[in-house]
Amino acid sequence: EAQVTQNPRYLITVTGKKLTVTCSQNMNHEYMSWYRQDPGLGLRQIYYSMNVEVTDKGDVPEGYKVSRKEKRNFPLILESPSPNQTSLYFCASSFGDRSSYEQYFGPGTRLTVT
Amino acid sequence: GENVEQHPSTLSVQEGDSAVIKCTYSDSASNYFPWYKQELGKGPQLIIDIRSNVGEKKDQRIAVTLNKTAKHFSLHITETQPEDSAVYFCAAGSEAGTALIFGKGTTLSVSS
Repeated sequence: EAQVTQNPRYLITVTGKKLTVTCSQNMNHEYMSWYRQDPGLGLRQIYYSMNVEVTDKGDVPEGYKVSRKEKRNFPLILESPSPNQTSLYFCASSFGDRSSYEQYFGPGTRLTVT
Repeated sequence: GENVEQHPSTLSVQEGDSAVIKCTYSDSASNYFPWYKQELGKGPQLIIDIRSNVGEKKDQRIAVTLNKTAKHFSLHITETQPEDSAVYFCAAGSEAGTALIFGKGTTLSVSS
């Protein structure tokens, strides 16, 4: 089944404790992206990657890191989480070219930082 | 940069009625306008999209219209059903759909 998977789905942590949220897709997509969703603010892009070893900042990158060592994986790293990073996070992927623009989203990771 | 405004933020309709959600965008370079549906506890899912060389697109009960001159686009759902209840997001972007800016969402409630 074609899908984007994220782990963990739920995470409660404390301020300053490094964490990683994994994202994997099995559709051979070139493009991958991370969004955060907050009430009343919609979806905001954190980082994106057009291909392996190519990453770029989105609209709200502060406090986050990403890496793209393999085509299928795009982990999101919070080196020192803070309470304002409490949010619902989505990973998405697409072909990223004119063949298809559709972005496929994962099921989300709900993060709480206390 | 691009800015997308979406209205209304909440919409309640009776089953069988039509629902319309409107979005405006600011960047005239945007050429791709998708609509996503997000059900409770799930990630957004594309329901329909339109590119700038088309003024209208329809898929069964769902249609999207685009007015590039006025920089606005709308989602139309006819004969609404309770399963249409969800949060709907519009977005605008370019570069093969990768650089998407989303609206803040509309919570649609369809009562039977």
